[in-house]
Amino acid sequence: EAGVTQSPTHLIKTRGQQATLRCSPISGHTSVYWYQQALGLGLQFLLWYDEGEERNRGNFPPRFSGRQFPNYSSELNVNALELEDSALYLCASSVGGGVMNTEAFFGQGTRLTVV
Amino acid sequence: AQTVTQSQPEMSVQEAETVTLSCTYDTSENNYYLFWYKQPPSRQMILVIRQEAYKQQNATENRFSVNFQKAAKSFSLKISDSQLGDTAMYFCAFMKLVNYNTDKLIFGTGTRLQVFP
Repeated sequence: EAGVTQSPTHLIKTRGQQATLRCSPISGHTSVYWYQQALGLGLQFLLWYDEGEERNRGNFPPRFSGRQFPNYSSELNVNALELEDSALYLCASSVGGGVMNTEAFFGQGTRLTVV
Repeated sequence: AQTVTQSQPEMSVQEAETVTLSCTYDTSENNYYLFWYKQPPSRQMILVIRQEAYKQQNATENRFSVNFQKAAKSFSLKISDSQLGDTAMYFCAFMKLVNYNTDKLIFGTGTRLQVFP
């Protein structure tokens, strides 16, 4: 069974551009979480989608946005990129749908570099 | 708001020895879970061990065990018989339960563990 997959693996963008990161959850999982891991920091929660709806949002500006598609895959969009957006972006999926299951499975991340 | 603190940025241990990683957290919640995740150089976060706050018994997974002190809000990870493959970043994480449903994970800043031969 395939795990959580993220694409692209690496992404280099220029300041001011937009970046789109993609995540495919484990089959059967409806919840997708996005985290930012900047150098020297822990993982900071960005967004949580479950069954197509945004359930929670972290303390990030509105230029960080996303969506979840009917097949439960998800996109994270970062507009007007700034140098400090350079980080590893991790996606995780879990069973979701109100099912009491605490295990989240992570992808290998997208390394975003803003130059 | 919940916070997770890992006060040891780096630790090292010799192969076959035992090492303990520290974690403290702050919350006013009563129902929550605590986790230790491992992130090797491959970047993939891997769940090491999980503890339910309502359980007094400390969780154990093979060579990994925790010392959960709820009153002190402390959640340390003990790795016994350390192996070279244990070299990784280790993150402590907190998850509260919202109406008995799961919520987001809140992570500490991590401890880099190096296992030496």
